[in-house]
Amino acid sequence: AQTVTQSQPEMSVQEAETVTLSCTYDTSESNYYLFWYKQPPSRQMILVIRQEAYKQQNATENRFSVNFQKAAKSFCLKISDSQLGDTAMYFCAFMKQTGAGGTSYGKLTFGQGTILTVHP
Amino acid sequence: NAGVTQTPKFQVLKTGQSMTLQCAQDMNHEYMSWYRQDPGMGLRLIHYSVGAGITDQGEVPNGYNVSRSTTEDFPLRLLSAAPSQTSVYFCASSYSWRGAYEQYFGPGTRLTVT
Repeated sequence: AQTVTQSQPEMSVQEAETVTLSCTYDTSESNYYLFWYKQPPSRQMILVIRQEAYKQQNATENRFSVNFQKAAKSFCLKISDSQLGDTAMYFCAFMKQTGAGGTSYGKLTFGQGTILTVHP
Repeated sequence: NAGVTQTPKFQVLKTGQSMTLQCAQDMNHEYMSWYRQDPGMGLRLIHYSVGAGITDQGEVPNGYNVSRSTTEDFPLRLLSAAPSQTSVYFCASSYSWRGAYEQYFGPGTRLTVT
């Protein structure tokens, strides 16, 4: 079984600054996906970024990037130029990759979440 | 395209009552799943389905039943509600083809059991 740990229950950052959210995971799998989801006060789950474990290059989506350290089983999210709209709960999640690049029936294992507040 | 819809958005039940949380998707996704979200615990998988007529248990299945008679619908039944089932419930769906990793989540149902 997999576990995902987010050790920072809450974080805060000033608008326009950079913040990094931590995530570690434990698995015996070699092939998997890692994700960061954002949950604003509206409660909607929004996919922010994903990383395939076989890729060494860190994923980037506009102001969001990850630092993926496979050996250390670490998957940190960096948010640059923070905006007020980034205020939300952020979840790190793991999905096992099944044969031929498939996904494990869409089953995700989530971390506990980190509440990020961006201050003006 | 409505995506994933859930009804109701809010519900209050008394201990011992039963109810069904509805989930529907119009994207022809084969995979569907139910999660519950509790403070400090993230989202945990309750049940999932890989297609019509096929369901299986997730991490926290006790107290919940599911069935999947059509591709579109995946209801979650609470047979005898308990205060421990107070939570926010999310339904999600995804494609089954290779590399289709993205989960599409519904808006959630906040359930309170008194």
